[in-house]
Amino acid sequence: NAGVTQTPKFQVLKTGQSMTLQCAQDMNHNSMYWYRQDPGMGLRLIYYSASEGTTDKGEVPNGYNVSRLNKREFSLRLESAAPSQTSVYFCASSITGTNYGYTFGSGTRLTVV
Amino acid sequence: EDKVVQSPLSLVVHEGDTVTLNCSYEVTNFRSLLWYKQEKKAPTFLFMLTSSGIEKKSGRLSSILDKKELFSILNITATQTGDSAVYLCAANFGNEKLTFGTGTRLTIIP
Repeated sequence: NAGVTQTPKFQVLKTGQSMTLQCAQDMNHNSMYWYRQDPGMGLRLIYYSASEGTTDKGEVPNGYNVSRLNKREFSLRLESAAPSQTSVYFCASSITGTNYGYTFGSGTRLTVV
Repeated sequence: EDKVVQSPLSLVVHEGDTVTLNCSYEVTNFRSLLWYKQEKKAPTFLFMLTSSGIEKKSGRLSSILDKKELFSILNITATQTGDSAVYLCAANFGNEKLTFGTGTRLTIIP
C-alpha cells in the first residue's frame, strides 16, 4: 500500500507564479486535509474535505484553493504565490467518523522567492 | 478557542535518561488526544487517548490522559539516539479536524 502520496517533494516558485500540489490516498479514506508546517508554529490546517464533493476552510485558508477531484485525490492550488507561503505542506487522510487519527503524506517543501 | 500547548519546546538529554513531555489542551467537545513522532518527514502515529487514567504503552514509550485537568504526558524511558525527533500532540474536537501543538524537539546525546 502506498498510503498517502504527495507530489512534488520540492518546489521553488517565483512570487506571483501559480502551482498545484497533488495528493492521492489509496486507503479508501473519506476525509482529506492540507496542513502547512512552519518553524515554531506547528501544523496549521489550510483546508479539509470531509467527503467527496465537500471542502471547508481551516485555520489559514487565505491564498489557497482546493479541489476534491474524487475520493482518492485532493489538490491544493496557490494562484499567486507569495514569500509568506514558503513552508512545508502535508496532505493527510482519515476515516470519517472514527478516532483513528491521520495518515500523512511525506510532505512538499515549497520555497517562494 | 481550541488550543493545544506543549512543553517544553525543546529538550536535550543523554542516552539512557527518562523524559516526560507535556501536552495541555483547551478544546470544546473534546474526543481524543493523539501523539505523533516526526523525524525528517511526515509525522507518524504513536498513541491515541480517549479515556482518563488508562495508560497506553508501546515498548519504552507510554502515555496517559487526564481529562479533568486537561493534559496528557508522553514518557520515554531508557532513551536512545533514535528517539531524537519532534513529538507532536494533537486534539480532536469532534469533527475530524485535529488541532496540533507546536511540538517538543527532543535531542538525545550519545
